[in-house]
Amino acid sequence: SQQGEEDPQALSIQEGENATMNCSYKTSINNLQWYRQNSGRGLVHLILIRSNEREKHSGRLRVTLDTSKKSSSLLITASRAADTASYFCATDASSGNTPLVFGKGTRLSVIA
Amino acid sequence: GAGVSQSPRYKVAKRGQDVALRCDPISGHVSLFWYQQALGQGPEFLTYFQNEAQLDKSGLPSDRFFAERPEGSVSTLKIQRTQQEDSAVYLCASSFVGLVNNEQFFGPGTRLTVL
Repeated sequence: SQQGEEDPQALSIQEGENATMNCSYKTSINNLQWYRQNSGRGLVHLILIRSNEREKHSGRLRVTLDTSKKSSSLLITASRAADTASYFCATDASSGNTPLVFGKGTRLSVIA
Repeated sequence: GAGVSQSPRYKVAKRGQDVALRCDPISGHVSLFWYQQALGQGPEFLTYFQNEAQLDKSGLPSDRFFAERPEGSVSTLKIQRTQQEDSAVYLCASSFVGLVNNEQFFGPGTRLTVL
């Protein structure tokens, strides 16, 4: 079963706008990660935030984590057409190499 | 360097056929994971190896699914007597044990269609 839910399920924006995607999860976590998946391709790791962190930045990406609400958000600033993809959050319950539990994903379309 | 590779990329099987899906992890990655991704859904965990040891197979949906990694490198996911509900993309991921952050590197997947 899937751990959480991303919302919205689909998001369509104009190039240059910001895109915000949210993820909620059910159980306690060790880390939360965001992955991107282009159509017909594998997943690419974007960013990881640990359970004791509240915010993290990487280039145009900003991730927040609220463990009290069991939720995270991914913000992509100044979006580009190349950002068009599905975005998934994934959690793991313990440290080390453990299986990831993914949400259902947000399909982002950036229109040029 | 080379990433995770999977073969075949696409597989069409008639219901009842057996299929074998291959995963070549990144060299030196000790951990290997298999996930199943249905259309429009996120990946769901199937099974996990550390070297040749299968540490967790709790996600395998039935005893028709079998995975192995005999030499701790290449892994094969076998599905016997395929059913239409087995149609999905099968993703393989590897990671380097010892990393606390558990970043996993994914292959492109094998899209299985069972007719």
